[in-house]
Amino acid sequence: DQQVKQNSPSLSVQEGRISILNCDYTNSMFDYFLWYKKYPAEGPTFLISISSIKDKNEDGRFTVFLNKSAKHLSLHIVPSQPGDSAVYFCATLGGGSNYKLTFGKGTLLTVNP
Amino acid sequence: DGGITQSPKYLFRKEGQNVTLSCEQNLNHDAMYWYRQDPGQGLRLIYYSQIVNDFQKGDIAEGYSVSREKKESFPLTVTSAQKNPTAFYLCASRDRGTSGNEQFFGPGTRLTVL
Repeated sequence: DQQVKQNSPSLSVQEGRISILNCDYTNSMFDYFLWYKKYPAEGPTFLISISSIKDKNEDGRFTVFLNKSAKHLSLHIVPSQPGDSAVYFCATLGGGSNYKLTFGKGTLLTVNP
Repeated sequence: DGGITQSPKYLFRKEGQNVTLSCEQNLNHDAMYWYRQDPGQGLRLIYYSQIVNDFQKGDIAEGYSVSREKKESFPLTVTSAQKNPTAFYLCASRDRGTSGNEQFFGPGTRLTVL
């Protein structure tokens, strides 16, 4: 029973264009959302996050959008660069004191030069 | 410089043996976590610890054990009871004292059972 779904296992875009990675969640109690980037054989690195009180958060080339009514969030990368090629994980927090992250299965982004 | 270290990077063990994966952090973080990643899967939580001498089971704790005797260390033992131990294991930590919710990850240990 997946609570966080990344329905696209892979995405391929051209350098300089926009990359849009999507994530859906089922639990309306989730109130904090994060995106991590992961290269093969390395640990994930934190990219950007958003609280449920906001609908957009921007950091340089990375913007996360949250649509609470649709239980959907997306990560926009613009312009995409070859170094952005990695697996991107969406993760959510349900509040409370345990701060357990629930991860999606990830989307492999390939940015072609 | 501060960070999370996991050793070794690659680990091999024979079926039926227990093995302990190391995780050390010098970030002064209170909370620490263990995840495993399998091909095509997201990260799944094995165990977590919010404070020294306390830990809780995650979603897939069966066949694993942990200890948290020191703030900076959170070793994970993969026991012979774990039916499918071959995976990539990731340790993470978080500073409970700050308003940020992000967890910081170590480089991971790839465990292969022969």
